[in-house]
Amino acid sequence: KQEVTQIPAALSVPEGENLVLNCSFTDSAIYNLQWFRQDPGKGLTSLLLIQSSQREQTSGRLNASLDKSSGRSTLYIAASQPGDSATYLCAVDKGGSEKLVFGKGTKLTVNP
Amino acid sequence: DVKVTQSSRYLVKRTGEKVFLECVQDMDHENMFWYRQDPGLGLRLIYFSYDVKMKEKGDIPEGYSVSREKKERFSLILESASTNQTSMYLCASSPTHTQYFGPGTRLTVL
Repeated sequence: KQEVTQIPAALSVPEGENLVLNCSFTDSAIYNLQWFRQDPGKGLTSLLLIQSSQREQTSGRLNASLDKSSGRSTLYIAASQPGDSATYLCAVDKGGSEKLVFGKGTKLTVNP
Repeated sequence: DVKVTQSSRYLVKRTGEKVFLECVQDMDHENMFWYRQDPGLGLRLIYFSYDVKMKEKGDIPEGYSVSREKKERFSLILESASTNQTSMYLCASSPTHTQYFGPGTRLTVL
């Protein structure tokens, strides 16, 4: 059974800092991995999707990497801003069915 | 912009009531999903659908059913609500592999 773990559960950083969020998964036979953002009391917004054949994806200040063999992904946020404060979730699609398995998320606080 | 709407942001029901949660998407997406989100447990898939009148069980379907009579609408039904179904319910739709989420319905069962 696929399990997805995100460490740490919470992170607080000063504005301007570069930071890395971690995601690990137990079964390396994945179809893709996605990173989402969730603001308090709201739905999820897709940030980046990495196919199993890819090593990384970039969007603006965000860069996500994927190492399937070690079962790890990282989300790098450059020059963090208070508006980046949110919970970040990663999710794995095992066989292309879109039956996503989510981690419990990392709650990020960026202090002005 | 993709828009996924859910019928209520907040809902309070009594134990034993039949509860309908509605989800509508405006982008002609084939795939639709229902999740629940609980503190400490994260998001878990309840049911999903790849097409009209088609449904598949997710990881926690017990106590729930779904209906998809039209492509744009996917309904989650709690036949007899129980207190352990108090949760945040999130709907999503997808053309293929990127899921777009609605704002969620926070359901409280008393």
